[in-house]
Amino acid sequence: KNQVEQSPQSLIILEGKNCTLQCNYTVSPFSNLRWYKQDTGRGPVSLTIMTFSENTKSNGRYTATLDADTKQSSLHITASQLSDSASYICVVSDRGSTLGRLYFGRGTQLTVWP
Amino acid sequence: EADIYQTPRYLVIGTGKKITLECSQTMGHDKMYWYQQDPGMELHLIHYSYGVNSTEKGDLSSESTVSRIRTEHFPLTLESARPSHTSQYLCASSSGQRTGELFFGEGSRLTVL
Repeated sequence: KNQVEQSPQSLIILEGKNCTLQCNYTVSPFSNLRWYKQDTGRGPVSLTIMTFSENTKSNGRYTATLDADTKQSSLHITASQLSDSASYICVVSDRGSTLGRLYFGRGTQLTVWP
Repeated sequence: EADIYQTPRYLVIGTGKKITLECSQTMGHDKMYWYQQDPGMELHLIHYSYGVNSTEKGDLSSESTVSRIRTEHFPLTLESARPSHTSQYLCASSSGQRTGELFFGEGSRLTVL
């Protein structure tokens, strides 16, 4: 069964600190992996997208890594800010169709305290 | 910033009412989607469209219906709302490429009393 599991479910850190969010998946055949940021009550916004051949991609203070062999990804946030408080969603796409079906994780709820 | 818009953002209605959630995008995307999201849960695909006059049901069974008469417009309709329909509904669109970005609207929070 194709699944996407994220950990931790929630995380509280102090402003300025770094953190790492994890995503494990069983989706096969793999096409790409995306990280989204979703503010409370808003729609998700794309942070990164990585294909099989990419093992790291950065977007400002966000750096995503991908290990396609172990089917794991991480999202590292550097020097956290209050505005980083949000849910971070891992999404994996398969190669089973022209577009690729998307499998969503439940997200990690990050809270950044001053 | 994504050019995809949803209205209303919030809606509170009584049981049995008919509602339509609007979704429009100005990016010329052929592919559009409706997702349902409950608190702390993953997004579930309820409808999608690959172009005008093309609509398909998603993975999660839904009593809602959709239409795609124009490329930019993908409304979702509930003929008779029930409390079980209370949820966040997210509309999205993409260029259709396998690695194409998926753009989401801000969502419509529906509460059925």
